[in-house]
Amino acid sequence: AQKITQTQPGMFVQEKEAVTLDCTYDTSDPSYGLFWYKQPSSGEMIFLIYQGSYDQQNATEGRYSLNFQKARKSANLVISASQLGDSAMYFCAMRSYFGNEKLTFGTGTRLTIIP
Amino acid sequence: KAGVTQTPRYLIKTRGQQVTLSCSPISGHRSVSWYQQTPGQGLQFLFEYFSETQRNKGNFPGRFSGRQFSNSRSEMNVSTLELGDSALYLCASSPGRTGQATGELFFGEGSRLTVL
Repeated sequence: AQKITQTQPGMFVQEKEAVTLDCTYDTSDPSYGLFWYKQPSSGEMIFLIYQGSYDQQNATEGRYSLNFQKARKSANLVISASQLGDSAMYFCAMRSYFGNEKLTFGTGTRLTIIP
Repeated sequence: KAGVTQTPRYLIKTRGQQVTLSCSPISGHRSVSWYQQTPGQGLQFLFEYFSETQRNKGNFPGRFSGRQFSNSRSEMNVSTLELGDSALYLCASSPGRTGQATGELFFGEGSRLTVL
């Protein structure tokens, strides 16, 4: 079974500062993918970044980067230069590689950016 | 490229009724998954369809069902609605190619169901 743990229920960050959202995972699958999604109050789940378990380099997408530490089973999301529009719920999720599109989600972190 | 489209966006039903939600995936994607999101249980996987076949199923009662059509569009149905079925229902679309896991897994805006 897969499990995702997000230990920060809520975070407050000053605008323009960098923020790290924590995510640890547990799985017995040898190959897997890790995702981060942003969910604003409207409800839509917006894809931010993806990291494959065999990817050698940490994934980056604009202001988002994923700090992947495989041995520690952590996949923290780093947002650089935070903006007011970054205020939302953030979910870490994972899936197995083998014919299974099922995502296992963490409980999420509510990020609030303070002007 | 159009995104994942879910309809309706909002709906209100009463206990005992049934509801059908629709999801049109991204063009070329053959896998559609459904999730239920509630404040108490978080995001839970309902089922996944690929090429008109249910490939995976979560731990939900038989009142929750789904299907997929030849054009990859999917519907989910909830019969005999209960108050606890009030939730945001999210649909996700992906290519679904076995053994080729990528980050291509995108969600629609969701259908928010309220059961009175």
